[in-house]
Amino acid sequence: DAKTTQPNSMESNEEEPVHLPCNHSTISGTDYIHWYRQLPSQGPEYVIHGLTSNVNNRMASLAIAEDRKSSTLILHRATLRDAAVYYCILNSVANSKLTFGKGITLSVRP
Amino acid sequence: GAGVSQSPRYKVAKRGQDVALRCDPISGHVSLFWYQQALGQGPEFLTYFQNEAQLDKSGLPSDRFFAERPEGSVSTLKIQRTQQEDSAVYLCASSLLTGISNQPQHFGDGTRLSIL
Repeated sequence: DAKTTQPNSMESNEEEPVHLPCNHSTISGTDYIHWYRQLPSQGPEYVIHGLTSNVNNRMASLAIAEDRKSSTLILHRATLRDAAVYYCILNSVANSKLTFGKGITLSVRP
Repeated sequence: GAGVSQSPRYKVAKRGQDVALRCDPISGHVSLFWYQQALGQGPEFLTYFQNEAQLDKSGLPSDRFFAERPEGSVSTLKIQRTQQEDSAVYLCASSLLTGISNQPQHFGDGTRLSIL
């Protein structure tokens, strides 16, 4: 499986936008970029996914670089509830299982 | 609507005992996954079912681990002769379709297993 690289941690202020980066330089043409997050003592929660074009949903936006070697998860207004570990995962057509890394731990200051 | 339900939420067992962990997936979901999450780490894949068929068990760490989904809905992960290194959170996830890379997986909150 192609690998993703994320910073270990990031801090943000409540009600400000947050940009969480992810590098995936060995991404293949069939790999979708998925983001999940995991709040303390809960299972992972799907956030968003995309292939080539930028994507928006009620939770977040996903900005994908033109060469697809990196992407950014954007939380438009961070809340305290957004404090979690965020995982950037590549998922190809032939491989439905998710390969998690360590993710990035987001802290939100009131 | 009902999400993925796992029971028990917490399980404490003595080393050498057998344990059984249950997963109730979202109704109608074809795919079911088990993951193991050690403290401070991301979840790691254990095994995968498409309906009742176990199509991938490459992540099971030893032959002490066994999973089944006999009627294509509820699944049980069994660990025999538990050891301390089996202590972890066991997560179950389900998704609507199989072999489709853009299908999100829906996770339960896991069973936290502690082996004394």
